[in-house]
This record gives sequence, structure tokens and C-alpha cells, in this order.
Amino acid sequence: DAGVIQSPRHEVTEMGQEVTLRCKPISGHNSLFWYRQTMMRGLELLIYFNNNVPIDDSGMPEDRFSAKMPNASFSTLKIQPSEPRDSAVYFCASSLRGTGETQYFGPGTRLLVL
Amino acid sequence: AQRVTQPEKLLSVFKGAPVELKCNYSYSGSPELFWYVQYSRQRLQLLLRHISRESIKGFTADLNKGETSFHLKKPFAQEEDSAMYYCALSTGRRALTFGSGTRLQVQP
Repeated sequence: DAGVIQSPRHEVTEMGQEVTLRCKPISGHNSLFWYRQTMMRGLELLIYFNNNVPIDDSGMPEDRFSAKMPNASFSTLKIQPSEPRDSAVYFCASSLRGTGETQYFGPGTRLLVL
Repeated sequence: AQRVTQPEKLLSVFKGAPVELKCNYSYSGSPELFWYVQYSRQRLQLLLRHISRESIKGFTADLNKGETSFHLKKPFAQEEDSAMYYCALSTGRRALTFGSGTRLQVQP
């Protein structure tokens, strides 16, 4: 298994543009997590899904952010419109069952909004 | 609300010296605690979790509920231990809450 796959690995965009980040969890894992990492705030949970259903989205900063998980093997995190303060590394992680299990992280997407 | 505090941003030690990375948490219930590590140019990965009570790469961590701490220790640091270490808390209801991380530098 290649582990959690994220794309793109790097994204540079201009303020106001839509950004879509993609994640493929490990096959057979039923929980998926999106995190954001910045120097100021460290690693923060944005949202997590269990069996494709959003369970906790209290970390989603505002309405400009949305996340979907249409099936067990794919999730997206969308920012529309993007702003410079959204610049960060976005990580996706998956676990076998829920929040108490080991989470396996993807390589991250480094986003720069100009 | 749950919170994880790692008071040291950077810890620098010499090879062979003991290491202790501090982690304190706040949560009124029964937490599950983890240490994750990120080596240079690698993914964030689990180092150990308190319920397994095992030693990984010579590291151990004991949950002290009285002091609400989960410090990571190693008796003799190696250069390959240099990395970013994150303490994390799971309460079941909410996914992982991470501390701000401590960068460990092991000098030769």
C-alpha cells in the first residue's frame, strides 16, 4: 500500500481563486482527517469523517472552506475564495477505526496563496 | 476543552545524553495519548501510544494522570532521533488535538 496519497504536493495560487486539495486514504480505513499546519497555530484538525460522514467539522475556519467524502477512497478539501492567510501545509490522515486508532498521514499539500 | 501543551519549542542535547520531551494535557475524562514524530522530509508518523506501553526506538512515555503529563523519555539520545515531536490527545469524541511540537536536535 502506498499509504495516504495527497495531491497536489504543492499549490501556488492567487487570492480569490478556488483551491481543491485531494486525498486518497489507505484502503480499508474508515476514518479520514484533514489537518492544517502553520507556524503560528501548529497542527490543527479541520474536519474528520467516519464512514464517509462528517463527524466533527468544528475546526473548519469559515464558510470558505468545505470538505467532502463522496466515497471511501476519496476526499476533497476546497477553499473558495482563497486568501493569503490560508497559506499552510494541509495534511490528510486516515485510521482504521475512529479517533483512538493510529492515524497514518499523507505527505501534505503545501499551499501558497499570493 | 481539551488542550495539549509542549512548553519547549527546541531541545538541544548531545549524543548519548538523556532526553525528556515534556507534554501536559488538560482533559477531565480518560484520554488517549500519543507521540507522533516527523523526521526531515518524512511524513508525520506515530511513535508510540500510552495504551500499548511499549518502547519504540528506545523511547518510552508514561501517562501520569495526577500531573496530567505524558513526557517522552530516552536514556541515551542518538543523532537519528533529531526530528519534530508532537504530543497528541484523543478523547474519542474529538479527533486528535496536537501540541505545538518540540524540535529535538541531537548534536554529535
